[in-house]
Amino acid sequence: TQLLEQSPQFLSIQEGENLTVYCNSSSVFSSLQWYRQEPGEGPVLLVTVVTGGEVKKLKRLTFQFGDARKDSSLHITAAQPGDTGLYLCAVLYSGTYKYIFGTGTRLKVLA
Amino acid sequence: EAGVTQFPSHSVIEKGQTVTLRCDPISGHDNLYWYRRVMGKEIKFLLHFVKESKQDESGMPNNRFLAERTGGTYSTLKVQPAELEDSGVYFCASSQDFLGGSPFQETQYFGPGTRLLVL
Repeated sequence: TQLLEQSPQFLSIQEGENLTVYCNSSSVFSSLQWYRQEPGEGPVLLVTVVTGGEVKKLKRLTFQFGDARKDSSLHITAAQPGDTGLYLCAVLYSGTYKYIFGTGTRLKVLA
Repeated sequence: EAGVTQFPSHSVIEKGQTVTLRCDPISGHDNLYWYRRVMGKEIKFLLHFVKESKQDESGMPNNRFLAERTGGTYSTLKVQPAELEDSGVYFCASSQDFLGGSPFQETQYFGPGTRLLVL
């Protein structure tokens, strides 16, 4: 059973479009992280959200942590080809220092 | 500042052979993690070092995998003997000491990974 479900798995959109990807779980977490990974590279941390309902913005990216701290969304406004990559969410497994990752959303933005 | 480096970038070996992966964390980072992604699956935690000590090795698949971190600096992950299902991308990540704070406040820096193919 996958602890973190990400949707959609794949997304191909045109430059300038908006999109939202999701990270869902039935468990409650103290925090949740979003990463972006590009081909041949390791994941790079984008943001950590820690408070239920928290919204963080990183340029055109808006991250929201669900009120119940079970889910999160990432919204990209006016997507650019440079946004292409694999977006991963991750959480700390309860009571440990072990990070659990979702399966990811693979985004392709076409020029 | 140099990032996390991993060597080799790619390795192709035959079933039954031994392979050793190396990770050099960012200088001064006490925490070092190993992860693995098998094709089509999510990135999975293997183990966590704090300096030279193994804090959590619950993700290690079996006793064919051995991780070490001599002197609390670089780390190696040895697979002996390798099996077909060991193929995948092995990532290393490092982070600074939590300094009494919460681990979810840390930033993990990942290396580019080692792509292992066992034939």
